[in-house]
Amino acid sequence: SQKIEQNSEALNIQEGKTATLTCNYTNYSPAYLQWYRQDPGRGPVFLLLIRENEKEKRKERLKVTFDTTLKQSLFHITASQPADSATYLCALGNSGYALNFGKGTSLLVTP
Amino acid sequence: GAVVSQHPSRVICKSGTSVKIECRSLDFQATTMFWYRQFPKQSLMLMATSNEGSKATYEQGVEKDKFLINHASLTLSTLTVTSAHPEDSSFYICSARDLREGGTDTQYFGPGTRLTVL
Repeated sequence: SQKIEQNSEALNIQEGKTATLTCNYTNYSPAYLQWYRQDPGRGPVFLLLIRENEKEKRKERLKVTFDTTLKQSLFHITASQPADSATYLCALGNSGYALNFGKGTSLLVTP
Repeated sequence: GAVVSQHPSRVICKSGTSVKIECRSLDFQATTMFWYRQFPKQSLMLMATSNEGSKATYEQGVEKDKFLINHASLTLSTLTVTSAHPEDSSFYICSARDLREGGTDTQYFGPGTRLTVL
């Protein structure tokens, strides 16, 4: 069955450092992968989408990589700030189908 | 752009009553909306896919008679939890697909509805 794995342990980093979150998947060939941010008691907020034929995507301080051979995506936040503290979800999809979400990784950025 | 609203944000009801949750796409048309529920520290669980003008498609294990979905227009979908019980207490989130994004299924989420059934 399809499986999406995100590190269940919270990631604690110091302000200013780069946060790197991992999303691994098995038994799946997604056409694209998306990253969302979710704050407690709120709905997810879309951040970035990367397609299967793209290796890397950037948006301001965010960078996403997508390795379809390793079946892995890495999500980087550079120069992290306390305001970046949240849960980050990866989601995989194919056109016409609903997204499949991982459980998310909690990020805590301390001053 | 791409804003999705949900109403109400919180609802507390007695066991046995029905609760309706509205999901609206405010600045785009969404032919497809999705309903999820999320338990604490768990992933979003897809409940059903709602297509405008047709019957919703429910995921396995989701009772269609208990979770009634109506997608009457391109900007509104409703989820009605009928005869709610305490085990239905959860965080319900809708999302809408913006077809302007080239068919890549980017979904924009509402802020969620916290349902508590006493």
